[in-house]
Amino acid sequence: DIQMTQSPSSLSASVGDRVTITCRASQSISNFLNWYQQKPGKAPKLLIYTASYLQSGVPSRFSGSGAGTDFTLTISSLQPEDFATYFCQQSYSTPMYTFGQGTKLEIK
Amino acid sequence: EVQLVESGGVVVQPGGALRLSCAASGFTFGDYSMLWVRQTPGKGLEWVSLIIGDGSRTYYADSVKGRFTISRDNSKTSLYLQMDSLRTEDTALYYCAKVNWLTKAFDMWGQGTRVTVSS
Repeated sequence: DIQMTQSPSSLSASVGDRVTITCRASQSISNFLNWYQQKPGKAPKLLIYTASYLQSGVPSRFSGSGAGTDFTLTISSLQPEDFATYFCQQSYSTPMYTFGQGTKLEIK
Repeated sequence: EVQLVESGGVVVQPGGALRLSCAASGFTFGDYSMLWVRQTPGKGLEWVSLIIGDGSRTYYADSVKGRFTISRDNSKTSLYLQMDSLRTEDTALYYCAKVNWLTKAFDMWGQGTRVTVSS
């Protein structure tokens, strides 16, 4: 199975900060990388698909980049509603989808 | 409105069985692959099983192969997960999700249903 490793596992930041979360795959996955946001008690929500494409309705302060094994999710200016847990997920080795362990973004 | 609503999660003893359901609305259900994903505090998000749109092919994670069966009824726009020979490690919040056929991303999720396997 392809292993997905996120860093950091948790992060404290302030409203207005620029934040970057990293996801690394154990082998090349081309650009088949998706990012999800999950708030407490809620289901995950798709933010970014195919590494860099913004899902409809997602604010433009979210962006994704990367290819091969290394990927990043960037939030350009943190808003109060962005404090949540973020997961990466590979869709290269379908249907053996695998997720990162998550990055919890907390208010500083 | 695109919506997925899971049901059927309960407390069950080890070795027991359970059937989860997921009612879909707001999209042409039979056109999309659907899957079950589970979440635990310890293992995070784990893909469980996938079924393609016409139901002709199914896939399972190794951890559930031979014990779980995914199915769908496109006339009822519903997805199911039959869970047999349940183990304590199957305890989790189970989500159904819709797979985007082009991107393979999970673009719609239900709210989840909780399964607890405990004696």
